[in-house]
Amino acid sequence: GAVVSQHPSWVICKSGTSVKIECRSLDFQATTMFWYRQFPKQSLMLMATSNEGSKATYEQGVEKDKFLINHASLTLSTLTVTSAHPEDSSFYICSARPRLAGKGETQYFGPGTRLLVL
Amino acid sequence: GENVEQHPSTLSVQEGDSAVIKCTYSDSASNYFPWYKQELGKGPQLIIDIRSNVGEKKDQRIAVTLNKTAKHFSLHITETQPEDSAVYFCAAWMDSSYKLIFGSGTRLLVRP
Repeated sequence: GAVVSQHPSWVICKSGTSVKIECRSLDFQATTMFWYRQFPKQSLMLMATSNEGSKATYEQGVEKDKFLINHASLTLSTLTVTSAHPEDSSFYICSARPRLAGKGETQYFGPGTRLLVL
Repeated sequence: GENVEQHPSTLSVQEGDSAVIKCTYSDSASNYFPWYKQELGKGPQLIIDIRSNVGEKKDQRIAVTLNKTAKHFSLHITETQPEDSAVYFCAAWMDSSYKLIFGSGTRLLVRP
């Protein structure tokens, strides 16, 4: 149980284009989903927190107009990188927090999406 | 501020030996401490977690200890195997800011 999927697993795009990444909780409902970015050999950096049906909360320094987050249902959140540039190339990982009694703050992570902007 | 320090950054052990990774957190209100294993090119996998009302938790070869007074927690892996080689991250949940704060990671290498 507690499986989180991401699609696509990797994407290469030209500078200036937009890229959408999907995050799905497959066997549970998620009250909250989180989006992280990870650069090579570094830790995970939280970008934003999204709750179903409400606006995402962005971390300091993360441009909300560039990284659009939509949490349309309890099992799906999407991250759209708008007008991507080479510096946006990174490993993007989502996580989902189950809406289950007793699970508390447990988060389950997706497999990640590697984005390369040329 | 919110901070989690993790040591060591790299750890090399012989197969069969034990490995210990230590973390220290700054927010005394933190109440949930998960550990994640991340293999190359993959997302983090939850391997064990502990809550603030417990001092120790064990799951087969993996154990986690928590010292709330000192604000530190540790991951212990016994009888290490080559497949344990990965990057391990500790984290602390911040109720005040509703997010997980991650340590910087430990690259564990288990030599056959």
